[in-house]
Amino acid sequence: GENVEQHPSTLSVQEGDSAVIKCTYSDSASNYFPWYKQELGKRPQLIIDIRSNVGEKKDQRIAVTLNKTAKHFSLHITETQPEDSAVYFCAADSNYQLIWGAGTKLIIKP
Amino acid sequence: ETGVTQSPTHLIKTRGQQVTLRCSSQSGHNTVSWYQQALGQGPQFIFQYYREEENGRGNFPPRFSGLQFPNYSSELNVNALELDDSALYLCASSRFTGEQFFGPGTRLTVL
Repeated sequence: GENVEQHPSTLSVQEGDSAVIKCTYSDSASNYFPWYKQELGKRPQLIIDIRSNVGEKKDQRIAVTLNKTAKHFSLHITETQPEDSAVYFCAADSNYQLIWGAGTKLIIKP
Repeated sequence: ETGVTQSPTHLIKTRGQQVTLRCSSQSGHNTVSWYQQALGQGPQFIFQYYREEENGRGNFPPRFSGLQFPNYSSELNVNALELDDSALYLCASSRFTGEQFFGPGTRLTVL
């Protein structure tokens, strides 16, 4: 079955710097890759997603890149702000399921 | 357009008991997926319901069961509760292959 690995588990960056979170997946049939942000005690919220027919997608300060050959995808956050502090999860679809990574705790240092 | 709701918000049970969690899907959505999120971990897929039929199941034992109703709301039932079942249970509604919208979750504690 699908396995999604996410790195790093914790990422601490200075406010204003960029943050990059990376995920790899195993199921070559996966074609939908969402990223969720979860603040403490709250529900996951979709922040950006990408489908396999696209290599990159941007939404203001957030971008996602996908390399289907290498089976990895990455989340890029530029000009980080204190409100970006949260846990970020990547996921990949497999047989109508979403398989999630273990999460990255992003800490924005003032 | 109403969002995804779940009830109850918190629940405390003892080992061996049974529990039913409820989820109301967002207007226009026909698919509900259930996840278990243990503390400090990512959500684990339990199962998905599409038009009242189970449409996929994760690696959970049969004591985890569910239902979807004609209005696309859903229930998750867990029998013979174990301590390891303590977690946040999330439901997400969507159109069949669309973006999943999550409810606020039910925090289940098993003592």
